[in-house]
Amino acid sequence: GAVVSQHPSRVICKSGTSVKIECRSLDFQATTMFWYRQFPKKSLMLMATSNEGSKATYEQGVEKDKFLINHASLTLSTLTVTSAHPEDSSFYICSANGQYQETQYFGPGTRLLVL
Amino acid sequence: QKEVEQDPGPLSVPEGAIVSLNCTYSNSAFQYFMWYRQYSRKGPELLMYTYSSGNKEDGRFTAQVDKSSKYISLFIRDSQPSDSATYLCAMSAGGGATNKLIFGTGTLLAVQP
Repeated sequence: GAVVSQHPSRVICKSGTSVKIECRSLDFQATTMFWYRQFPKKSLMLMATSNEGSKATYEQGVEKDKFLINHASLTLSTLTVTSAHPEDSSFYICSANGQYQETQYFGPGTRLLVL
Repeated sequence: QKEVEQDPGPLSVPEGAIVSLNCTYSNSAFQYFMWYRQYSRKGPELLMYTYSSGNKEDGRFTAQVDKSSKYISLFIRDSQPSDSATYLCAMSAGGGATNKLIFGTGTLLAVQP
């Protein structure tokens, strides 16, 4: 149980385009989903927390207009990187927590490369 | 001072060795402690979850929490090459669905066959 998927697993895009990443909880209802960013050989940096049906809460220093987060249902959250630039290239990981989960369960991550 | 400190390694051990991974923390409000394993280019996988002080064992893995010293450990017995990964400690002050995790930097472990 507690399986989280992400799509796509990797994406390459041109500078200036927008990229959407999906995060799904496959076997539980995720009341809360988290989005992280991870640089090579670094730990996870929390970007935002989203609760189903409400606006995401962004961490300090994370641009909410650049990283759009939508949590429209109890099994799906999306992160859209708008007008992507090379410095947005990174490994993006989501996690989910539901009413009966003791802690967060992570997706496999999405590797974004902006050219 | 970081809230959570973890030796980044790398730590290299021979197959079959006992591995000890550690984290220290400064926030006395932390009550929930987790260890995640992350293989290269993959998402973290939950290994152990403990609440408050004490020990918890699951197969070859044992987690220890000493809140008086603000120190947590993960022991891996009979280490295998498949255990080679980055191990992240994480902790939070609250439990439940909205808990915000604070991560260590991760320790890179290599188990040599």
